[in-house]
Amino acid sequence: DQQVKQNSPSLSVQEGRISILNCDYTNSMFDYFLWYKKYPAEGPTFLISISSIKDKNEDGRFTVFLNKSAKHLSLHIVPSQPGDSAVYFCAAISNNAGNMLTFGGGTRLMVKP
Amino acid sequence: KAGVTQTPRYLIKTRGQQVTLSCSPISGHRSVSWYQQTPGQGLQFLFEYFSETQRNKGNFPGRFSGRQFSNSRSEMNVSTLELGDSALYLCASSLATSASQETQYFGPGTRLLVL
Repeated sequence: DQQVKQNSPSLSVQEGRISILNCDYTNSMFDYFLWYKKYPAEGPTFLISISSIKDKNEDGRFTVFLNKSAKHLSLHIVPSQPGDSAVYFCAAISNNAGNMLTFGGGTRLMVKP
Repeated sequence: KAGVTQTPRYLIKTRGQQVTLSCSPISGHRSVSWYQQTPGQGLQFLFEYFSETQRNKGNFPGRFSGRQFSNSRSEMNVSTLELGDSALYLCASSLATSASQETQYFGPGTRLLVL
């Protein structure tokens, strides 16, 4: 039972355009969501997070949107740069499971020059 | 501040052996979590340690164990290795000022290959 899903395994975007990565979840106990970027054979790098009491959080080129009623979150990258090419994971923490991160399957983003 | 460090970075073992991986968290971080990444199962939570106590455990067999020392450094051990244990093992640390809603920062991982 996959509680966090990233339905698009890959996404290709032109440099300078917007990248939109999506994530859906089923567990209504999740109250904190994070996005990580990962290169092969390296650990995930934290990008941005959002608490369930908010619907938007922005940090530079990265914005995360949360729609609690739809159990959906998205990461917007504007403008996209070739260096953004990596696998992006969304993750969620439940308010009754300590620090345990539940990850989605990841989306491979390719930004073409 | 130095990030999360993991040793060794690469390891080759044979079936039936046991292995110990080490993780040093970011200075001041008190919680250490371990994750396994495989192509088939993705990133899965193994366990979390806080104040030398296991606070959470994922759905892995008892062959997977861990511990945390008084300086917050952590080790995980896998006994009686199986081919399916080949994976990237990741350690993450967080401040642990509250029970949840904390960002975890990951180390570079240990790539384990079981032959």
